[in-house]
Amino acid sequence: QSALTQPASVSGSPGQSITISCTGTSSDVGGYNYVSWYQQHPGKAPKLMIYEVSNRPSGVSNRFSGSKSGNTASLTISGLQAEDEADYYCSSYTSSSTYVVFGGGTKLTVL
Amino acid sequence: QVQLQESGPGLVKPSQTLSLTCTVSGGSISSGSYYWSWIRQPAGKGLEWIGRIYTSGSTNYNPSLKSRVTISVDTSKNQFSLKLSSVTAADTAVYYCAREDIAVNWFDPWGQGTLVTVSS
Repeated sequence: QSALTQPASVSGSPGQSITISCTGTSSDVGGYNYVSWYQQHPGKAPKLMIYEVSNRPSGVSNRFSGSKSGNTASLTISGLQAEDEADYYCSSYTSSSTYVVFGGGTKLTVL
Repeated sequence: QVQLQESGPGLVKPSQTLSLTCTVSGGSISSGSYYWSWIRQPAGKGLEWIGRIYTSGSTNYNPSLKSRVTISVDTSKNQFSLKLSSVTAADTAVYYCAREDIAVNWFDPWGQGTLVTVSS
């Protein structure tokens, strides 16, 4: 069982927007702005998409955005494209002895 | 830019020790701004943080694996390594190395990953 809770799957049509949630506790997501999001295509390594809750690395499309409210962080993808179909993982610093926690991952299907 | 590449045996027998090395290119592993981490992913499952090392040799490990894990660094070779002892089939996974920002804990870049199968 993952420390952070994500929906197993989400879907949307091209051009639409979707949001993926990532729920933790006050010891991780809620207590620190150190949430990051990763995109993983089949057979590939994860790619950093969002860091520090809402910052985009250079080269990541501005269709990807992040936010946080309380113990829940969210990744929003606007203007869905076929290439966005992938697994998405959230991660957070945690004050517990595990140091780093990941979500269980969300499979995004572009219909 | 910085690139990471995992290497090591793809098949390990049960009860033996899994050993992997991550070679860092395009930058120095001695940079003070980063940890160097290992993360694994069983087939069809999510990511599990294994542990990390700082250039000084200081380490942190996932408590669930701590008794079996050793991470070391060789700054002269710009490499860091993972050893996982007493492996079982449950340790079969794709193992990734990644650079972790010290201040805000993001992982970037990642190595391409290497599949390690535990089987007799």
